Amino acid sequence: DAGITQSPRHKVTETGTPVTLRCHQTENHRYMYWYRQDPGHGLRLIHYSYGVKDTDKGEVSDGYSVSRSKTEDFLLTLESATSSQTSVYFCAISEPGTGRTTEAFFGQGTRLTVV
Amino acid sequence: SQKIEQNSEALNIQEGKTATLTCNYTNYSPAYLQWYRQDPGRGPVFLLLIRENEKEKRKERLKVTFDTTLKQSLFHITASQPADSATYLCALDRSRGGQNFVFGPGTRLSVLP
Repeated sequence: DAGITQSPRHKVTETGTPVTLRCHQTENHRYMYWYRQDPGHGLRLIHYSYGVKDTDKGEVSDGYSVSRSKTEDFLLTLESATSSQTSVYFCAISEPGTGRTTEAFFGQGTRLTVV
Repeated sequence: SQKIEQNSEALNIQEGKTATLTCNYTNYSPAYLQWYRQDPGRGPVFLLLIRENEKEKRKERLKVTFDTTLKQSLFHITASQPADSATYLCALDRSRGGQNFVFGPGTRLSVLP
């Protein structure tokens, strides 16, 4: 795997509690992403970042916030976890080259269960 | 509405045959299309990228075609092996040429010995 580490790998939390997932990369890639993957929906983009302190919403951003204070770290926060946020969360990184687009590299995923 | 679809949720083929997976999209105008492989419990892994001005791309036993008129990409695995069993995802650029990718739901391929 590219140098991407997600933590924790598994978490069980109670409804209404805040949860933070961390993505750490050692590749110095500019773009970082948070996706969730659910049966029947595939991978859906939550938020992404195109630089330190530069973030934008994806297609399913409600109930989530992100922060990127350093190139290597991208945090995803569930402000008040709900059962509908039970999912597998993937972090990804990419680095566009001059005049070209490159692929995304994914982390191993975090399985989050909200009870 | 914008949509990206893959032909079937699951596909079973015999070892040695060619597997063909389909990706169709609606109301996108991608500059490129990518294919990824995902094994159970792991993140997707990039396989191939094809640009809008390329009709076909090959890598070892893999071949991808891209028809912007039909709004379709075909992904072929020739001489398939049980080790090719996985879920295959297509992805395209949500905003033309950008780094914001949208993924299809995936096709789970099983290659039977």
